[in-house]
Parts: sequence; structure tokens; C-alpha cells
Amino acid sequence: GAVVSQHPSRVICKSGTSVKIECRSLDFQATTMFWYRQFPKQSLMLMATSNEGSKATYEQGVEKDKFLINHASLTLSTLTVTSAHPEDSSFYICSATPGAGGWSPLHFGNGTRLTVT
Amino acid sequence: GDSVTQMEGPVTLSEEAFLTINCTYTATGYPSLFWYVQYPGEGLQLLLKATKADDKGSNKGFEATYRKETTSFHLEKGSVQVSDSAVYFCALRENAGGTSYGKLTFGQGTILTVHP
Repeated sequence: GAVVSQHPSRVICKSGTSVKIECRSLDFQATTMFWYRQFPKQSLMLMATSNEGSKATYEQGVEKDKFLINHASLTLSTLTVTSAHPEDSSFYICSATPGAGGWSPLHFGNGTRLTVT
Repeated sequence: GDSVTQMEGPVTLSEEAFLTINCTYTATGYPSLFWYVQYPGEGLQLLLKATKADDKGSNKGFEATYRKETTSFHLEKGSVQVSDSAVYFCALRENAGGTSYGKLTFGQGTILTVHP
């Protein structure tokens, strides 16, 4: 089946530094990718939707200057957490779909555990 | 807007017990409904889905029926195993054709722990 690879799986960084998380679709072209954030024992909250070659659409309350999303190719989207702070520590999950409509299947990465010290 | 409400957990069961996790939804259109499972330290895996009213999704002994009249999609399993211990998320996705990016709206998740 379709595979989405997310890297790194875990990262620890110091406060004030930036961290980049990659999301790759390995065997299909991902027209659209979604980035979610999950706090401990809570649900997944959609952060942004990215389409290849265009600017990401951020959900209300998500700082676009802090969470930079780049979807430069049909197989790669990156999320950069800039000037990270301890409150950014969370589990970030990407998902990718080959289509733009609601019928197109979604495939999830295994997530990235970010810890900011 | 769209929303999904799951029964609050955590749910603790003995092995071979019957499982029900309730899920109800609110949507403006005709969504597809999903159950995802998240094992400790891992990402999400699709467990089952149903795309229209009265459809029954099933997988690994789990099943859920899309009930439009009650806007529900309750998850059931007749005999749980220790390996079923995980977090279960109910989710919906609008099928709004080409204008929709098809993003998922998740419920809050239900932690299931099964003891031997």
C-alpha cells in the first residue's frame, strides 16, 4: 500500500533553534499534504493544508511565521518550527493524498516527537 | 462546522470482553466516516471506514455502521485482545468533490486498555 515517510521520528532541540520535519510520499504523488499536531492524551488538531507549488492554508490560531510549510514537490512537504520553545513540544503528524477531492485516500506518516528543552 | 464527539475514556476491559466506543458527528454535507487506531508511540493507522449511510466498515474483528438517522458511527468488537490496547479516533471527511481538500476532522480519541 501507499507509504508516507516522516523524518525524523524523534528530535530534541534547544529553545530558540529551528527544527525541520520532512514528510515524503514514497510511491505516489501527493497533491495535498496535511500537517497535524497532537498534544499528550488529546486529539489531532489540523495545523495546515499544503498543496504542491502553492502557499499553505493555515487553520485559525496557527502562526504561519512560526510553522513554515513548504510543499515544493509532489513527493515532499516540510514543516519547520522556527525559534522553538518548550510549548512547541508535541507530536506532529503529516498525511498525504494523491487527489484534491474528499474521495481521495489519505495516508499518514508515523509522526515526529518534538521535545524542546 | 463539522465536529466529531467520542465517548470519554479511558476504557479498561478484560480480554475477550465486548467493546463499544460511541461516536457521533455533525456535518453539513455527506461525509465519509473513519476509525483510526494509534498504538503507543506510533502514528495513525486506518482501521475501517464507511462512505455512505448504512455502510458497515469492518477490519480485524472491529466493525462500525454508518447511521445517518442517528448521526453515529459506533465502533464494536465482540472479543477484545490485549493487543487491541491503543487510542481509537473517530473521524469524518467531507466528500465535497473537487473543491474540498478532504481534510479529516477527528474526535478527541478514546484510550482502550485490555488486561489479560
